[in-house]
Amino acid sequence: GAVVSQHPSWVICKSGTSVKIECRSLDFQATTMFWYRQFPKQSLMLMATSNEGSKATYEQGVEKDKFLINHASLTLSTLTVTSAHPEDSSFYICSASGNQPQHFGDGTRLSIL
Amino acid sequence: KQEVTQIPAALSVPEGENLVLNCSFTDSAIYNLQWFRQDPGKGLTSLLLIQSSQREQTSGRLNASLDKSSGRSTLYIAASQPGDSATYLCAVRPNSGNTPLVFGKGTRLSVIA
Repeated sequence: GAVVSQHPSWVICKSGTSVKIECRSLDFQATTMFWYRQFPKQSLMLMATSNEGSKATYEQGVEKDKFLINHASLTLSTLTVTSAHPEDSSFYICSASGNQPQHFGDGTRLSIL
Repeated sequence: KQEVTQIPAALSVPEGENLVLNCSFTDSAIYNLQWFRQDPGKGLTSLLLIQSSQREQTSGRLNASLDKSSGRSTLYIAASQPGDSATYLCAVRPNSGNTPLVFGKGTRLSVIA
């Protein structure tokens, strides 16, 4: 079946650091990728939608200058958390869609000290 | 705006019991509904996907039903096992386009041996 690879799976870094998370669709072309964030014991909340070759569409309350999304190819999207702070600590999951259904990565746990 | 609610938020049962998890959504105009399993700190595993035209789907000990008109779905787990312990998420897809899923907060299930 379709596979989405997300890397890294776990990141611990100091406050002020920028962190890049990669999401790759391994065996299909993902025209659209979604980035979700999940706080402890909460559901997945959509952060942004990115279409290949276009600017990402951000949900209300998500700072586009803080969460930079690049979707330059049909198999790769990246999320960069710039100048991360402890409140950005969360579980980030990507989802790739080229056809139904959507396929999810295994997530990245980000811990900012 | 579509909202998905899952009841109960947490559930603890002895091994061997049959159980039902509930999911409701406010807008009945959905394309499909999906049940996921999430282990602590991990990504999502798709369990069952029900198209809007379907009433139920079965996979092994799992059975999911969909009553689109009333905005409800149930996930039935037969003969529960300790390995079933996880968080179960319900998500709806609003339409056939590349739209993000809308998730509920999940039900945390503990099956006690």
